[in-house]
This record gives sequence, C-alpha cells and structure tokens, in this order.
Amino acid sequence: DTGVSQDPRHKITKRGQNVTFRCDPISEHNRLYWYRQTLGQGPEFLTYFQNEAQLEKSRLLSDRFSAERPKGSFSTLEIQRTEQGDSAMYLCASSSSTSGGGLEQFFGPGTRLTVL
Amino acid sequence: AQKVTQAQTEISVVEKEDVTLDCVYETRDTTYYLFWYKQPPSGELVFLIRRNSFDEQNEISGRYSWNFQKSTSSFNFTITASQVVDSAVYFCALSWEDTGRRALTFGSGTRLQVQP
Repeated sequence: DTGVSQDPRHKITKRGQNVTFRCDPISEHNRLYWYRQTLGQGPEFLTYFQNEAQLEKSRLLSDRFSAERPKGSFSTLEIQRTEQGDSAMYLCASSSSTSGGGLEQFFGPGTRLTVL
Repeated sequence: AQKVTQAQTEISVVEKEDVTLDCVYETRDTTYYLFWYKQPPSGELVFLIRRNSFDEQNEISGRYSWNFQKSTSSFNFTITASQVVDSAVYFCALSWEDTGRRALTFGSGTRLQVQP
C-alpha cells in the first residue's frame, strides 16, 4: 500500500504564471484535503473533497486558486497568476470515512512552490 | 475562536532527557478531536495519535505518552528518554464535530532538537 503522493515535489515559477499540482491519495481513501504551509508555521487548510464533491473551502482559497477531484481519485490544485506570497509548501492529505471515522489524515511529501 | 496554541517555539534537550511538549486548545464544540503530528527534517507529516473529547484516558505508546485534560484544555505530549531521531517539529491539531469540520486546525509547532 503506497502512501499519498504529490507531483511535482518542487516548482519554481515566475510571478504571473499559472501552476498546477497533483495529489494521488491512498487508494480507496474517499476524503482528500489540501493545506498550505509557510516557513515556521503549521499547515493551513485550503479545501476538502469527499469523493468528487468539494465540500469545504477556506477563505484562504482566493479566486486565483481552484481545485478539482474529477473522478474521486486524484486531485489537482491550480494557482493562476501566481504571486510571491503564494510561495509555500502545498500539502495533500487523505483519509477514509470508513476507517476511524475518517478522522486521521495521512499526508503526502508536499510540493514546494517558489514564485520569483 | 477555535484554535490551537503551542507556546514553545523550540526546545533543546540532551539525549535521554524527558521532554514535554505543550498544547492548549480552544473550541466551542462539545465533540472534538485532538491530534499530534511529527514533521521530521524530510518534511512529511507523520500521524502520531488522535484523542476524542469524550475520552480523557491518557495514553502511552513506547516512549511516547499523552496527557489530555479537558479542565485545562490541554493535550500535552511527553517523550521519555529522548533520542536524536526524535528531532523534528511537532504539531498539535484540532478538528470538531458539531459544525462538521473535517479539516485540521494546527498549532504553529514546537521544534525539538535532541543533542547527542
């Protein structure tokens, strides 16, 4: 059983460019979460899917951010017109509602975004 | 406000010392969940434990123990006989049931350095 995987692991982009990250959750996990972590801080919640439905979005998720989980498996997070303030580690986590009530979340290695 | 406070930014101990990491939480909900995660230098968050609000029983797992006290809204984590491999950032986190919040709210973390 593989863990949560994320691609790419690192992304360097210029301000104003669009970027897209991918997350593959643990197989059969129906819940998927995106978080953002800046240096010296704890992860901050961005958005949450149960299967393909996006059930919750943080106020941190500006209109430049969009996330999808089209078939209830992998998910993508797109940031349009990147800004330097978007530089952070983007973390994906998954959980199963049929195991422990879906409370324990298992995290991927993250995608580190640097906006120049 | 629903939040987690980890007042200790950084702790340094010598190997074999015991160390306690503090976590204080605030929540309006009567049903909530508390977690500890470890983030080693490699960066990937590792789940350590979950505690439910209705279960104040303390837990011990090897060198790790957790003390949950609702009266003081605290969920402290003790490492006995610390080892160099325990060096990491440790995060306390909260989720709550009454308003259906599935995402985790993290504290800012405590960096633990164990010196040989």
